[in-house]
Amino acid sequence: DTAVSQTPKYLVTQMGNDKSIKCEQNLGHDTMYWYKQDSKKFLKIMFSYNNKELIINETVPNRFSPKSPDKAHLNLHINSLELGDSAVYFCASSPGLSGGTDTQYFGPGTRLTVL
Amino acid sequence: DQQVKQNSPSLSVQEGRISILNCDYTNSMFDYFLWYKKYPAEGPTFLISISSIKDKNEDGRFTVFLNKSAKHLSLHIVPSQPGDSAVYFCAASAGDDKIIFGKGTRLHILP
Repeated sequence: DTAVSQTPKYLVTQMGNDKSIKCEQNLGHDTMYWYKQDSKKFLKIMFSYNNKELIINETVPNRFSPKSPDKAHLNLHINSLELGDSAVYFCASSPGLSGGTDTQYFGPGTRLTVL
Repeated sequence: DQQVKQNSPSLSVQEGRISILNCDYTNSMFDYFLWYKKYPAEGPTFLISISSIKDKNEDGRFTVFLNKSAKHLSLHIVPSQPGDSAVYFCAASAGDDKIIFGKGTRLHILP
């Protein structure tokens, strides 16, 4: 039974399109995150939500809009996709509010390719 | 601005020997350090952590050492096993809500 799941696993799309990536966790955690791993392999936090409330927004372009309908879901919508958005996007969750020390549980990642 | 640096992109170690993965950091405010392990096509999984009030934390075959004066930490795996072949991410936090990750080191365990 997958703890943190993401769909789709792969996403290939054209520049300018709008796409969404979904994330669900069944761990009962309060905090969820989105990370981006770019071609240089850096894994960087984009957003975190605690119980549907935005906690961290790391100067991500406003083309990226996270949406948390409930604390078990954190979806990522990306408007007007650009070539530089190509990356692997990881969703994660943690039990408490302290993302700095809580163990984070990651999903398998979504590889986004923008053509 | 790399606050967490893993300067070795890859490392090969003979099965049964010790693997030592190194990590340096620049932010003196970091007070909690973590190691995550990642297999291909999977997300990172937590391995071990250490608070800045300690200089060593051990969990089975895995030991993390922290040298605050040098702003350096290392992960020791002994003995190394084939299943340890993976990418290892060093990460750090400054008591706030986020973790800063390094670029990772790919560890190959040779038979």
